[in-house]
Amino acid sequence: DTGVSQDPRHKITKRGQNVTFRCDPISEHNRLYWYRQTLGQGPEFLTYFQNEAQLEKSRLLSDRFSAERPKGSFSTLEIQRTEQGDSAMYLCASSSRQYEKLFFGSGTQLSVL
Amino acid sequence: AQKVTQAQTEISVVEKEDVTLDCVYETRDTTYYLFWYKQPPSGELVFLIRRNSFDEQNEISGRYSWNFQKSTSSFNFTITASQVVDSAVYFCALDSDNAGNMLTFGGGTRLMVKP
Repeated sequence: DTGVSQDPRHKITKRGQNVTFRCDPISEHNRLYWYRQTLGQGPEFLTYFQNEAQLEKSRLLSDRFSAERPKGSFSTLEIQRTEQGDSAMYLCASSSRQYEKLFFGSGTQLSVL
Repeated sequence: AQKVTQAQTEISVVEKEDVTLDCVYETRDTTYYLFWYKQPPSGELVFLIRRNSFDEQNEISGRYSWNFQKSTSSFNFTITASQVVDSAVYFCALDSDNAGNMLTFGGGTRLMVKP
């Protein structure tokens, strides 16, 4: 069990650029989640995958955001035309069953200048 | 709609003091799960406990204990004899039958334990 890994740990970009983050969940976990956390706040749900199917999307996820999990293993989260309001920590988590504890990665800290 | 409220944004204690972190939740579902997570300065959220809505027994794990009271919709967390390593942000969270696989977090309580 190597845990949930996220890459990169930090990303600095200019407004208007596209960015992509990667998450590798625990290998036997079929459920994968993306959350966003801003300074001083709790994580907010963005989207959920069961295997390769994206089953839930938050209203927070504007059309500039897209997430994939092509083979039911790793996932990517892309933000197009970044805005300063996108600056946040993007957290990935995985679990084996509904209502089970989530295992979180260390997150990707995005700063949009 | 679900909601989790952690009214204490920041608590500061001296080592060896006991401290209680409050959590109040709202849900219309009868089946739900409550969680506590710890987020140390490194940033990675670490699971502490899960409790389902049908189990109101309090739980103790070492210096940690949790008090679940459905009558007041609260799930409070107590650290006994706090230590500097307990310094972190603690989040209470809620999941339920109709939440759509979405864990709802409170705003967190930052605990600072001073030596």
